[in-house]
Amino acid sequence: EAGVTQFPSHSVIEKGQTVTLRCDPISGHDNLYWYRRVMGKEIKFLLHFVKESKQDESGMPNNRFLAERTGGTYSTLKVQPAELEDSGVYFCASSQRVSTGELFFGEGSRLTVL
Amino acid sequence: GENVEQHPSTLSVQEGDSAVIKCTYSDSASNYFPWYKQELGKRPQLIIDIRSNVGEKKDQRIAVTLNKTAKHFSLHITETQPEDSAVYFCAGGTPGGYNKLIFGAGTRLAVHP
Repeated sequence: EAGVTQFPSHSVIEKGQTVTLRCDPISGHDNLYWYRRVMGKEIKFLLHFVKESKQDESGMPNNRFLAERTGGTYSTLKVQPAELEDSGVYFCASSQRVSTGELFFGEGSRLTVL
Repeated sequence: GENVEQHPSTLSVQEGDSAVIKCTYSDSASNYFPWYKQELGKRPQLIIDIRSNVGEKKDQRIAVTLNKTAKHFSLHITETQPEDSAVYFCAGGTPGGYNKLIFGAGTRLAVHP
């Protein structure tokens, strides 16, 4: 079974540019999460989808961040325009609808904003 | 807001020694406490978890203890090996609902041969 996949693995952009990160969850997982880790700090919750609906987006930093999950399959996280403080590793995770609790993580997308 | 504090941030031990990582949480409603291990360049993976109706859980060389009154839980690794070197994250949450986990800042464990 394929795990959670994320693309790109690393993106380097300049301040003001736009970047779109993609996450493909494990097939059949209704729950999809985005997290971010800024260097040396906690893996911080950004938002949670249940299928195509945003269940909780309380962790989204500001309106420069837009997440979508059209059709309830893969998800995208767009940052526009990017700022220096957006640099970090963006993790996607998924879990089953009736979850045991375990989140299955992707390998992350490292974003560097110069 | 909800948060999880994790200590230490770095830990260096000799192979064969034990390692202990401690976390405290703020949300009294949390009842699920997993530990994730992230090896260099790889994804975080669940290594052990504990639920609030249990005080201790063990799986071979790793164990987790939970003190709900004090709101803290710990990861214990015995007989450490070089392959235990990684970043370890603790987390707290309330699964069965929406499964949102709040993570600590991570502990970088280095096991020296």
